[in-house]
Amino acid sequence: ILNVEQSPQSLHVQEGDSTNFTCSFPSSNFYALHWYRWETAKSPEALFVMTLNGDEKKKGRISATLNTKEGYSYLYIKGSQPEDSATYLCAWGRRSGTYKYIFGTGTRLKVLA
Amino acid sequence: GAVVSQHPSWVICKSGTSVKIECRSLDFQATTMFWYRQFPKQSLMLMATSNEGSKATYEQGVEKDKFLINHASLTLSTLTVTSAHPEDSSFYICSARTPWAEAFFGQGTRLTVV
Repeated sequence: ILNVEQSPQSLHVQEGDSTNFTCSFPSSNFYALHWYRWETAKSPEALFVMTLNGDEKKKGRISATLNTKEGYSYLYIKGSQPEDSATYLCAWGRRSGTYKYIFGTGTRLKVLA
Repeated sequence: GAVVSQHPSWVICKSGTSVKIECRSLDFQATTMFWYRQFPKQSLMLMATSNEGSKATYEQGVEKDKFLINHASLTLSTLTVTSAHPEDSSFYICSARTPWAEAFFGQGTRLTVV
């Protein structure tokens, strides 16, 4: 079973709080780990692609880390703002024969003003 | 980022008819495109992987005769829902893989079968 799991499923934070989510994925046949931000009625926006164990990526107030050996990635948001409210999806890029992306269940973030 | 255009963004069709959804990469060549379906309150479920010039690879449980995928060029993949039924009503979204291994999404298509 190829499960990519994200936790928590949803959370509410106050404006200005920092928060983080987890993406767990199988460590075998790993190729890449992608994070997306998805707002309702829009197409998912690519945030990060990480391929190497220990990778850390940063984009403004958002950053992500990767541990391929244990199969997890963290996404951090520093100083959350209401406009950060969205669903954050991770996708495990798997290479075993053909290349494919398996998505996690998403974390729905609501930042309260 | 690269641009992927999906059309139509929404469609309503009668039960028994077929609907075609297009996914185009506008500024890059996509040798691989992916088709996803989102069930209510769930994440994106991969339906099939479409490789240019070859048959699509379908995920377990996806009927290939019902969801026809064609990837005839490096910039266009189509998904045709044949003989649509109300249970096919869903949100379908494509993504295209760039040569530098990122994936960008189309806008999605909301299909309602009545």
